Amino acid sequence: GAGVSQTPSNKVTEKGKYVELRCDPISGHTALYWYRQSLGQGPEFLIYFQGTGAADDSGLPNDRFFAVRPEGSVSTLKIQRTERGDSAVYLCASSPGTYNEQFFGPGTRLTVL
Amino acid sequence: KNEVEQSPQNLTAQEGEFITINCSYSVGISALHWLQQHPGGGIVSLFMLSSGKKKHGRLIATINIQEKHSSLHITASHPRDSAVYICAFYQGAQKLVFGQGTRLTINP
Repeated sequence: GAGVSQTPSNKVTEKGKYVELRCDPISGHTALYWYRQSLGQGPEFLIYFQGTGAADDSGLPNDRFFAVRPEGSVSTLKIQRTERGDSAVYLCASSPGTYNEQFFGPGTRLTVL
Repeated sequence: KNEVEQSPQNLTAQEGEFITINCSYSVGISALHWLQQHPGGGIVSLFMLSSGKKKHGRLIATINIQEKHSSLHITASHPRDSAVYICAFYQGAQKLVFGQGTRLTINP
C-alpha cells in the first residue's frame, strides 16, 4: 500500500512569504506528526494530531507556524512570514495510534532565501 | 543536557566489520525506536523495543531499561548500510524525542 507522502518535495521561497506544506498519511492512521530537521541534527517535534484535533502543538516555534487536519486525514503545515532560519526539512509521520511505530514521509526541503 | 545522546557521532568502517552504535537517555521511557535515514531520503523505522533484544536480518537492537541504554549492532556490514542511524523515545504518548544521529559509512 501507499506510504506517507509529502508535497512538495522541495520548496524555495523568499523571506517574508507564506508557504504551505502538505502531508498525506497512510490511510486509516489516526495519529499524524510533524517534525523539523535541520542539517546535521535529529528531527525535532512540532505538532501531533489525533484525528482532527491538535493534541500537542508544544513544538511549534512561534505563532508564524500553524497546522491543520480538517478531516482527520491530510494535514497542512502553514508558515507565515518565512524567515531564513525556517530553512529545514519538514517531516511528516503517521501511525495507527499512540505508542505505535511511526511511518515517515520523504520530507519537504524548505529553503528560505 | 540532551535527553538522548548517541555515540559515536560518525563512524567509518570496512565492509564486513561488526558495527555498534550506542544510545543513552536520561529519563524513564517505555520504549525506544531505532531509525535509519539515507542521504536525501526519508526515515525508516528499524525497531521499536521496550526490553531485551530484537533481531532483523543483520541488525540487532538491545535495550537495558534500568541502565537507560540501548545499542544497535550490524553484523557483516555492507556499503548499503551507510546511512544515519537515529534513536528516539516517546515523551508521553505524543511525540518522539530524537538523538542527533550517528552517520555510518561502510567502505568497500
